[in-house]
Amino acid sequence: AQSVTQPDIHITVSEGASLELRCNYSYGATPYLFWYVQSPGQGLQLLLKYFSGDTLVQGIKGFEAEFKRSQSSFNLRKPSVHWSDAAEYFCAVGAGTGGFKTIFGAGTRLFVKA
Amino acid sequence: GAGVSQSPSNKVTEKGKDVELRCDPISGHTALYWYRQSLGQGLEFLIYFQGNSAPDKSGLPSDRFSAERTGGSVSTLTIQRTQQEDSAVYLCASSPTGGVRTDTQYFGPGTRLTVL
Repeated sequence: AQSVTQPDIHITVSEGASLELRCNYSYGATPYLFWYVQSPGQGLQLLLKYFSGDTLVQGIKGFEAEFKRSQSSFNLRKPSVHWSDAAEYFCAVGAGTGGFKTIFGAGTRLFVKA
Repeated sequence: GAGVSQSPSNKVTEKGKDVELRCDPISGHTALYWYRQSLGQGLEFLIYFQGNSAPDKSGLPSDRFSAERTGGSVSTLTIQRTQQEDSAVYLCASSPTGGVRTDTQYFGPGTRLTVL
């Protein structure tokens, strides 16, 4: 069955430091992969997505993610974190026929310290 | 333009009662999705609509849950005989065409359901 694992429940990073959030997926075919961010009062927002082609994907707000098929991973990165990046981040895979059934990981809460 | 709206924003009900949750998608969006977010289960897919039809209902947790969409626009999620484990935030999203490669899902603010 398809599944997504985010091993870190929460992460604390200093402002200006780099960030990497881990995501591993289980899916038989070439996956549709997503990262979403959920901030209080902002709702759930798509950061980036991967379907095929270049394995390094650029998203909004300076985020990027790299698809590694050999490791079944899709880790999210940002070179320099801002205080406004504090939020919960969800990795997801599009499953089912057409990939419409989005399966989410449990989420990683990011805390940013000054 | 207006985003996805959901009503009510909060709903408190007693166990055993029926509830209806409403989603107004972005105008012109043909695809609509319902999700549930709870402490115990995280974010779960419930159902997906393309126009008025629902090709994938596999996420509905039981036959107490049903959803419909009329006129290719507004959708209603109905929970019959609510149970305490139904307490969660119910999120709705819409996307322009339903094409996973090209679309972005836009999420509403959610309806927080509390079953006493």
